[in-house]
Amino acid sequence: DTEVTQTPKHLVMGMTNKKSLKCEQHMGHRAMYWYKQKAKKPPELMFVYSYEKLSINESVPSRFSPECPNSSLLNLHLHALQPEDSALYLCASSSLWDRFHEQYFGPGTRLTVT
Amino acid sequence: SQQGEEDPQALSIQEGENATMNCSYKTSINNLQWYRQNSGRGLVHLILIRSNEREKHSGRLRVTLDTSKKSSSLLITASRAADTASYFCATDARETSGSRLTFGEGTQLTVNP
Repeated sequence: DTEVTQTPKHLVMGMTNKKSLKCEQHMGHRAMYWYKQKAKKPPELMFVYSYEKLSINESVPSRFSPECPNSSLLNLHLHALQPEDSALYLCASSSLWDRFHEQYFGPGTRLTVT
Repeated sequence: SQQGEEDPQALSIQEGENATMNCSYKTSINNLQWYRQNSGRGLVHLILIRSNEREKHSGRLRVTLDTSKKSSSLLITASRAADTASYFCATDARETSGSRLTFGEGTQLTVNP
């Protein structure tokens, strides 16, 4: 199984809502990632989890709160977002066995903040 | 911050022609990767080239890497309409905590039937 799944596919939320994005992989990967991608732009790294511990936070605002409950799951909790946070949110995973592994991406969650 | 620049930003060709995309970067890398993204979808890994490699092939794909010039190119031969997508290079400055991919701005490839 080389698939990364993400739910929901689409999400519309108001600025006062609290919602969560979910990501799951069963490839045994011990690194998981969140990216944000605006239209016609490249993905930008937000967070990296390594062995279920947050290892990289690219100065992301606290209204985004990641969580890695176990080695297969990654969540992104959203609270008090702004309209400019509307984007495609991509999850990815990769092996940590050596230095030369690609990342496997999920299909993304299209988030619209109203 | 995005360190990669891709050239051209957009490329339109006829089916059967070859497509070449270029990528430049600024810092030292462990490896460089190319990904494809169909509109509004996730990214699909195409090929990885290590910093000590100069050329790599995979099917209709050929990637070159010139670390002295900090540049890479992706060649797609005998293109097909299904190759229409955005193509991103990504430099990997791997750390013990996982890979830190920095993506280029991407090239939008359109292959006309």
